Amino acid sequence: GESVGLHLPTLSVQEGDNSIINCAYSNSASDYFIWYKQESGKGPQFIIDIRSNMDKRQGQRVTVLLNKTVKHLSLQIAATQPGDSAVYFCAENRGNMLTFGGGTRLMVKP
Amino acid sequence: DVKVTQSSRYLVKRTGEKVFLECVQDMDHENMFWYRQDPGLGLRLIYFSYDVKMKEKGDIPEGYSVSREKKERFSLILESASTNQTSMYLCASSFGTQGIDEQFFGPGTRLTVL
Repeated sequence: GESVGLHLPTLSVQEGDNSIINCAYSNSASDYFIWYKQESGKGPQFIIDIRSNMDKRQGQRVTVLLNKTVKHLSLQIAATQPGDSAVYFCAENRGNMLTFGGGTRLMVKP
Repeated sequence: DVKVTQSSRYLVKRTGEKVFLECVQDMDHENMFWYRQDPGLGLRLIYFSYDVKMKEKGDIPEGYSVSREKKERFSLILESASTNQTSMYLCASSFGTQGIDEQFFGPGTRLTVL
């Protein structure tokens, strides 16, 4: 899950398994959420987004689930591959800005 | 493809120096952002701009200023660098009149202040 402290949560999964990365957001007025992937030495890359009028959105091998009741967001990656190893950030909008979580490191074991 | 470029990947400066970090985007985006990224703290917004010559403070603007003279270019300025400004700096841009849109990031500049 997400952390706002100095320790980066780590999720370790076996290649081929499904991964679920969780994020708790703070602002019940947020209406736009986005997941980014950041590989070592690179800037964050967009994965998928969702607006608050939806509770699920699917992309290629990824699904984002939004539970507004408990202010929870999750990213599901199907059939995780070594190339999925990265740090994943969720972000919510705060007015016209994005607020990012602390990130979760995903490690894929061969 | 949207391309956001940053002038340097690595930069080493001394305390008290004036530092310029340049960012250029090639997709005619209205919005541009500067973040700093520190381990475990995610991305924190320093400044952003919705238009040429327009700037707004983010969450941590102290010690920084910005300049947006042209639509494609957004500069971050450290007037007098300090060691606590050692960090990874990320520039981003997005399309549209509001910030609630996908932001495209540059590769980052890792700044070390000695």
